[in-house]
Amino acid sequence: GESVGLHLPTLSVQEGDNSIINCAYSNSASDYFIWYKQESGKGPQFIIDIRSNMDKRQGQRVTVLLNKTVKHLSLQIAATQPGDSAVYFCAERSQGAGGTSYGKLTFGQGTILTVHP
Amino acid sequence: KAGVTQTPRYLIKTRGQQVTLSCSPISGHRSVSWYQQTPGQGLQFLFEYFSETQRNKGNFPGRFSGRQFSNSRSEMNVSTLELGDSALYLCASSITTGSGGYTFGSGTRLTVV
Repeated sequence: GESVGLHLPTLSVQEGDNSIINCAYSNSASDYFIWYKQESGKGPQFIIDIRSNMDKRQGQRVTVLLNKTVKHLSLQIAATQPGDSAVYFCAERSQGAGGTSYGKLTFGQGTILTVHP
Repeated sequence: KAGVTQTPRYLIKTRGQQVTLSCSPISGHRSVSWYQQTPGQGLQFLFEYFSETQRNKGNFPGRFSGRQFSNSRSEMNVSTLELGDSALYLCASSITTGSGGYTFGSGTRLTVV
C-alpha cells in the first residue's frame, strides 16, 4: 500500500551545521513530493517540492534530493538556524486512475529537528 | 494575500455530539483538502473537494463528511463524536486539483470529552 516513512524521528544539530532529513516512500507511482515544516500550534508550512521527473531541486538554504531507484527523498538544510527547529514532514502524491493526480497527500511520520545555539 | 483560514481554532465537544469546521481557501484556489492530525496516526487524508465535488476520499467512517460551496469555501462535519476524534483538523488549498502547491491553514483543534 501507500506509505511514507522516516528513518529518524529526531535530529539534533548545532547552529550553523548542515542538516539532512531522510524519508523513504513505497509507492513508485508517486509523481510529486513535498517537504513541510510544522511549528508548535501551526499548520504545516511548505518548504520545497519536487516532481518525479527531477532528482534535485534547490531553494533558499534547502535542497531536496529524490532517488527513485531506492525510493528515497531527503531534505538538506544549509547553515541550520535555531528558527529551523520544528517537525519536518515529507509527503507524496500518488496518481489516481487514468493518470490523474488528486489532492491526496500521504505524509511520513515526521522528524523533530532541534537546533542548539 | 490572505492565507488559508480555518474556524474555529479551538473546539470542545461532548461525545455523541456533532461538529462543523470551516475552511476558507486562498483567494483563487479552488481545491480544498482536509486532513486529520493525531500523535498516534500522524497526518491522514480525509477528502478533497474541487468545484463543489468530492474528488477523493480517505479511509474514514461515514461520520466524516464534507462539502464545498460555489465560492470554494469548504466545511467538514463529524457526527456522533467519539473520544478518538480528538485531533487537529487541517485543511489545505491549491489552485486546482492535482496542481500541487498545497497551502495549509493553522487548523482547528477539536477535543471530545
